[in-house]
Amino acid sequence: QKEVEQNSGPLSVPEGAIASLNCTYSDRGSQSFFWYRQYSGKSPELIMFIYSNGDKEDGRFTAQLNKASQYVSLLIRDSQPSDSATYLCAVNVRGGGNKLTFGTGTQLKVEL
Amino acid sequence: SAVISQKPSRDICQRGTSLTIQCQVDSQVTMMFWYRQQPGQSLTLIATANQGSEATYESGFVIDKFPISRPNLTFSTLTVSNMSPEDSSIYLCSVRAELAKNIQYFGAGTRLSVL
Repeated sequence: QKEVEQNSGPLSVPEGAIASLNCTYSDRGSQSFFWYRQYSGKSPELIMFIYSNGDKEDGRFTAQLNKASQYVSLLIRDSQPSDSATYLCAVNVRGGGNKLTFGTGTQLKVEL
Repeated sequence: SAVISQKPSRDICQRGTSLTIQCQVDSQVTMMFWYRQQPGQSLTLIATANQGSEATYESGFVIDKFPISRPNLTFSTLTVSNMSPEDSSIYLCSVRAELAKNIQYFGAGTRLSVL
């Protein structure tokens, strides 16, 4: 089992809809969770981080963490074509020090 | 977030040669990381570079192939040695944000093609 798993997609949503991206992780002791956005040919850009169970909102983005079920999700409201990118989930696994383990990413396509 | 400058941004190299990639940060940071991202793949950590100590390499990566220097708190280099076409990849440096638990910010990356 991979430490961090994501559906590779592509996930297609119409403009203005809610995009829901999911990530599961295997280490129950994981402490920190991150969502990065990566446009084609660019480096990853941090868009959200969450440490505690529940929801964290920042503008159109909401991160949701459920440690009991070992998943973290990212909701993008009012999706725009500029949101089309690959979204990488990253986890600081227990015993990993300050390292992050990345999922393979989900490609999101927002269609006009 | 820190401003991270990475160079070169891209290079095309011949088999058997070496390339050194530089990563410069505009503020002092304790931890820097080097990643590889192969085409269509996610990020794989090569090593963690702390100032004043030897880099810590991940499984599958060795110092002879990927020597790393960290001479001060704002600079690091990664060398890709004796390159083969399999080394064609994007190499990224990142820094851990000070006073923020495990947050990392990335440089723009170096796109390497080996012929």
